[in-house]
Amino acid sequence: NAGVTQTPKFRVLKTGQSMTLLCAQDMNHEYMYWYRQDPGMGLRLIHYSVGEGTTAKGEVPDGYNVSRLKKQNFLLGLESAAPSQTSVYFCASSYSQDSNQPQHFGDGTRLSIL
Amino acid sequence: DAKTTQPPSMDCAEGRAANLPCNHSTISGNEYVYWYRQIHSQGPQYIIHGLKNNETNEMASLIITEDRKSSTLILPHATLRDTAVYYCIVRVVTSYGKLTFGQGTILTVHP
Repeated sequence: NAGVTQTPKFRVLKTGQSMTLLCAQDMNHEYMYWYRQDPGMGLRLIHYSVGEGTTAKGEVPDGYNVSRLKKQNFLLGLESAAPSQTSVYFCASSYSQDSNQPQHFGDGTRLSIL
Repeated sequence: DAKTTQPPSMDCAEGRAANLPCNHSTISGNEYVYWYRQIHSQGPQYIIHGLKNNETNEMASLIITEDRKSSTLILPHATLRDTAVYYCIVRVVTSYGKLTFGQGTILTVHP
């Protein structure tokens, strides 16, 4: 009963380094999302995808890129990490954008940029 | 976006029902009420959602008032593992399924 799986769970980077966060879902969902969560800020949407091969910007997209080459995977990339990107990153997926379809979340990636 | 108001914190004794209130007086007719919770260091967990009728699943019950301006999440027999931040969200109708989390209610279940 995997649901949404995020890898890695923890990572420490130096400023300027790059990395990719992987999100995988096994529910055949069309929609996938990347959020970041910071103390006192709630969850903020970074990017989302409405289907394989599509991506779109959310509320805070700067400094991030995404790709959805396969329906089940949604990758979040940091090309040149900055300390302001220290955060907990959550991936979510849903069957559709329909308000009657819940989003299901992974357990997060905790990223520290030194 | 319809704004929600929740108490910042609540306490509950283990084994008793936990009733978490939420006000959403500006909700529109086609907007759903969602409840999620976040246990420390984990991702948000979907609990339940509803439009106007009361809903029940294996985790909880959702009671929505007739005018839809408020709702209550009920955990019928709270356990220590139910200690978490509970978020009441009004789901705005958008092209991509926008979900906006507020500050939530910190529920602490005591032995």
